Amino acid sequence: GESVGLHLPTLSVQEGDNSIINCAYSNSASDYFIWYKQESGKGPQFIIDIRSNMDKRQGQRVTVLLNKTVKHLSLQIAATQPGDSAVYFCAENPRTTGDSNYQLIWGAGTKLIIKP
Amino acid sequence: NAGVTQTPKFRVLKTGQSMTLLCAQDMNHEYMYWYRQDPGMGLRLIHYSVGEGTTAKGEVPDGYNVSRLKKQNFLLGLESAAPSQTSVYFCASGHRVSGTEAFFGQGTRLTVV
Repeated sequence: GESVGLHLPTLSVQEGDNSIINCAYSNSASDYFIWYKQESGKGPQFIIDIRSNMDKRQGQRVTVLLNKTVKHLSLQIAATQPGDSAVYFCAENPRTTGDSNYQLIWGAGTKLIIKP
Repeated sequence: NAGVTQTPKFRVLKTGQSMTLLCAQDMNHEYMYWYRQDPGMGLRLIHYSVGEGTTAKGEVPDGYNVSRLKKQNFLLGLESAAPSQTSVYFCASGHRVSGTEAFFGQGTRLTVV
């Protein structure tokens, strides 16, 4: 079946450095790719998304890159801060017909650890 | 600004017991979702709703039922709890059919013994 996977389960980054979290996907027909952040004990929080017709999208301190050739998605966080410590999930909307348009497929998550 | 509120936050059930989880949103969102999150895994969709009075099955619907009698509320029911339903349950709501920009509740930690 279709799946969204992550290259690394845990990523340790020095405070102030840039973080890059990677995600691989398998459904070439997916329309939306989304990044969520989940802090300990809380529900996921939307960060940024990108449509399949785009290669790059920037937000506040975050950039998402989409490489459809190799089915790869990445989230870049600039000048990582202690508050960025969380588990980061990528998710895709497979854009199948009918009801499945509403069903996101989530990756297992990458835990980002900030070293002081 | 409450956003998405889930009740209860914690619950312990015995095998075979039933319970209902309540989700309430105050953002007038059309779409509402129930997910479960198990250790080391991403979220899996249980059921969802695209509007008041409508519900549909997600990826893992067995053992659960839902109702959306009012637009702001989405209820998740377990008729006969099983240990395999031990999990953290998240409700979400959104205004985008793509599922992006969804708002999540704080979660309900359910343990079935």
